[in-house]
Amino acid sequence: EVQLVESGGGLVQPGGSLRLSCAASGFTFTSLWMHWVRQAPGEGLVWISQINIDGSRTNYADSVKGRFTISRDNAKNTLYLQMNSLRAEDTAVYYCTNSFDRWGQGTLVTVSS
Amino acid sequence: DVVLTQSPLTLPVTLGQPASISCRSSQSLVYSDGDTYLYWYQQRPGQSPRRLIYKVSNRDSGVPDRFSGSGSGTDFTLKISRVEAEDVGVYYCMQGTHWPPWTFGQGTKVEIK
Repeated sequence: EVQLVESGGGLVQPGGSLRLSCAASGFTFTSLWMHWVRQAPGEGLVWISQINIDGSRTNYADSVKGRFTISRDNAKNTLYLQMNSLRAEDTAVYYCTNSFDRWGQGTLVTVSS
Repeated sequence: DVVLTQSPLTLPVTLGQPASISCRSSQSLVYSDGDTYLYWYQQRPGQSPRRLIYKVSNRDSGVPDRFSGSGSGTDFTLKISRVEAEDVGVYYCMQGTHWPPWTFGQGTKVEIK
């Protein structure tokens, strides 16, 4: 069974940092691109970042470019999102997804003073 | 960026009756390989998104056959032949043809009358 389990969310002050993790199992992690998608409270889905199978190529939404960094550890079947310089508008549930097939349960990031 | 416009944004339906959601793209979603990377997702209240349809009209494993997808080019439709209570939620279309970014429609909320 495919499982994606996010962790690392929480309350952080504006300007702070968080690192999200997504532990993957039940599929061949090394064969799929991975993505992060977020959903602000009461809002729709927004793609924010993608990484290819070996981590050599990444893409970011303009809203997070230069502040967020996606990475993966194929030995640990884990996807990461390093989030720096956080803003109130980054408050959202963050989902990881394996090429938009399956999605994790999400982890809530709240940026507030 | 490709803009996906869904309509209606709210869809009140009677149990057992059909429902239809439109998704229009700002440009053709036919990729150079001939495939069209248009997907449909269901997000039930309090849950993660679940993919229903991939590449316009292919139902994912475990998706009831009352769900169907159709369309081509820039115009796409998700139909529910007979709405059941478990179909309540928000439905999103998403395109994976012109990236980055991968983009979603605004979402259509299906509710029971």
